[in-house]
Amino acid sequence: KAGVTQTPRYLIKTRGQQVTLSCSPISGHRSVSWYQQTPGQGLQFLFEYFSETQRNKGNFPGRFSGRQFSNSRSEMNVSTLELGDSALYLCASSSGGGFVGELFFGEGSRLTVL
Amino acid sequence: AQSVTQLGSHVSVSEGALVLLRCNYSSSVPPYLFWYVQYPNQGLQLLLKYTSAATLVKGINGFEAEFKKSETSFHLTKPSAHMSDAAEYFCAVRRETSGSRLTFGEGTQLTVNP
Repeated sequence: KAGVTQTPRYLIKTRGQQVTLSCSPISGHRSVSWYQQTPGQGLQFLFEYFSETQRNKGNFPGRFSGRQFSNSRSEMNVSTLELGDSALYLCASSSGGGFVGELFFGEGSRLTVL
Repeated sequence: AQSVTQLGSHVSVSEGALVLLRCNYSSSVPPYLFWYVQYPNQGLQLLLKYTSAATLVKGINGFEAEFKKSETSFHLTKPSAHMSDAAEYFCAVRRETSGSRLTFGEGTQLTVNP
């Protein structure tokens, strides 16, 4: 069974640009969550989508947005990039049901903002 | 708000020695608790989870953790460290009502010396 796939793995952008990251969850999983990981702030929750609807949202500015498609694939977008957006962005999928299922993480997309 | 605190950002042990990574949670109700491991340039992998079924939880790679409500702790242990255990370990908490959202601790970098 294929794991969570994130693309691209590495990317470099300049301040002011925007970026779109993609996440393909494990087949059959309906929940996709996004996390930002930085040395200073650690792992922080961005948002979660379940069946194309945002179910939870973390404390990030509106420049960070996401969406989920009918096939459960998800994208997140960061507009007007700032230096502080440099981070590893992790996507995780789960079945999303009412029970406490495991989160399966992808290997991440490492974004560097210059 | 739910939170977890990991005591010790860096822990160093000798190969074959006991591994003890500490995690305390703050919660007014019994939470769901997790330990994840992250190897360099990789995503997070679930080691084990506590979902109130049993207070002593066994995970992969010989790790286990004990939920102690009186101490609000969920420390991770392994009787004998192996070189391959060197990684960063994260404790995380999740509320039943928060969907798949996890709140992570700051992480503990484990070094295993030969």
